[in-house]
Amino acid sequence: DAKTTQPNSMESNEEEPVHLPCNHSTISGTDYIHWYRQLPSQGPEYVIHGLTSNVNNRMASLAIAEDRKSSTLILHRATLRDAAVYYCGTSYGKLTFGQGTILTVHP
Amino acid sequence: DTEVTQTPKHLVMGMTNKKSLKCEQHMGHRAMYWYKQKAKKPPELMFVYSYEKLSINESVPSRFSPECPNSSLLNLHLHALQPEDSALYLCASSHHRDRDYNEQFFGPGTRLTVL
Repeated sequence: DAKTTQPNSMESNEEEPVHLPCNHSTISGTDYIHWYRQLPSQGPEYVIHGLTSNVNNRMASLAIAEDRKSSTLILHRATLRDAAVYYCGTSYGKLTFGQGTILTVHP
Repeated sequence: DTEVTQTPKHLVMGMTNKKSLKCEQHMGHRAMYWYKQKAKKPPELMFVYSYEKLSINESVPSRFSPECPNSSLLNLHLHALQPEDSALYLCASSHHRDRDYNEQFFGPGTRLTVL
């Protein structure tokens, strides 16, 4: 399993972009990179995933380094509802989560 | 319907009790998962079912016994648990197990307390 590391916490202001980093230096060539978030008292919610190319969806963008040893989840305009724990993870046959980053969004 | 439901929401049990957790999805997914999540930690995979067959057991103690009666239902039978087994138990589903790009849909979890 690829080991992932994330900052424990980050803060942002409402309506500003947020860049959440993740290191996965032992990732193999076939592991997908996933991001999930978990709001209080809820199960994790899928955000985005990618393999080699950058990805965009309605929730966020995922920027993957050329060597795939790191990735960044980009929330383009943070809202108060984006306050959550964001988990980066990798998957090859099973999904393994990092320790998560607690994102605080200030009004 | 893009929902995974779990019952009960909360469960308190003694170390000699037998109880079961239930998970249900009606999205036609053929892979279902059990995760355990301790406070302030990420979810940890316990079991994976693919097409109603157990495909991954992450060396989970035998006091946890999973069951997949059909493609929509997943149970976790609990017996002789220890206080350290107290945690949030999450169920998830996805279209296929062996498609690593498939997103997993999680239920809200069952908060288990073992006394």
